[in-house]
Amino acid sequence: KNEVEQSPQNLTAQEGEFITINCSYSVGISALHWLQQHPGGGIVSLFMLSSGKKKHGRLIATINIQEKHSSLHITASHPRDSAVYICAVRGETSGSRLTFGEGTQLTVNP
Amino acid sequence: DAGITQSPRHKVTETGTPVTLRCHQTENHRYMYWYRQDPGHGLRLIHYSYGVKDTDKGEVSDGYSVSRSKTEDFLLTLESATSSQTSVYFCAISGSGYPSYNEQFFGPGTRLTVL
Repeated sequence: KNEVEQSPQNLTAQEGEFITINCSYSVGISALHWLQQHPGGGIVSLFMLSSGKKKHGRLIATINIQEKHSSLHITASHPRDSAVYICAVRGETSGSRLTFGEGTQLTVNP
Repeated sequence: DAGITQSPRHKVTETGTPVTLRCHQTENHRYMYWYRQDPGHGLRLIHYSYGVKDTDKGEVSDGYSVSRSKTEDFLLTLESATSSQTSVYFCAISGSGYPSYNEQFFGPGTRLTVL
């Protein structure tokens, strides 16, 4: 079992739909990261959080430390949101190193 | 952008040849990382550096070596490339500024094909 599990692996939505991507992890962490990988391959950091919730535009990330679970929500989805979304955790004893999930491929159709 | 480049961006080589990939940063970040990305796997850490001449192995380090002789450059070397090392390689940096000290910034990637 991987330390970081994402679900679903693939997700197709219609423009305007509310989207949720889930991430579960099995180790104690100091922080959880959400990243976005564009179709061209570039990877950008969306959120880094260790508790509660963060919001940026139409993106919301939440984390429940006790349940070892995080969700990434996209409101009013748009075709330009189509990308791979990656969850990664920084373990309590890992220093700066991250362990990554396999990613969720999101496709938003017009 | 965090000012991070990788070279080359694409490379095709033959089994058994040495290959060196370069990561260059202009942001004075302390930490640098090399990852590989393959279908069915998440990003996997090959090696990382926590300072000049300070490096350590990641989870998939066999067949790879690294060097960091100055803050801005982190080199990944495949001493004798194998087909299993065909992959997309990403460099990342972290360790500068607040509150983004632990945030990782990624380079554009290098697509390596070993025939």
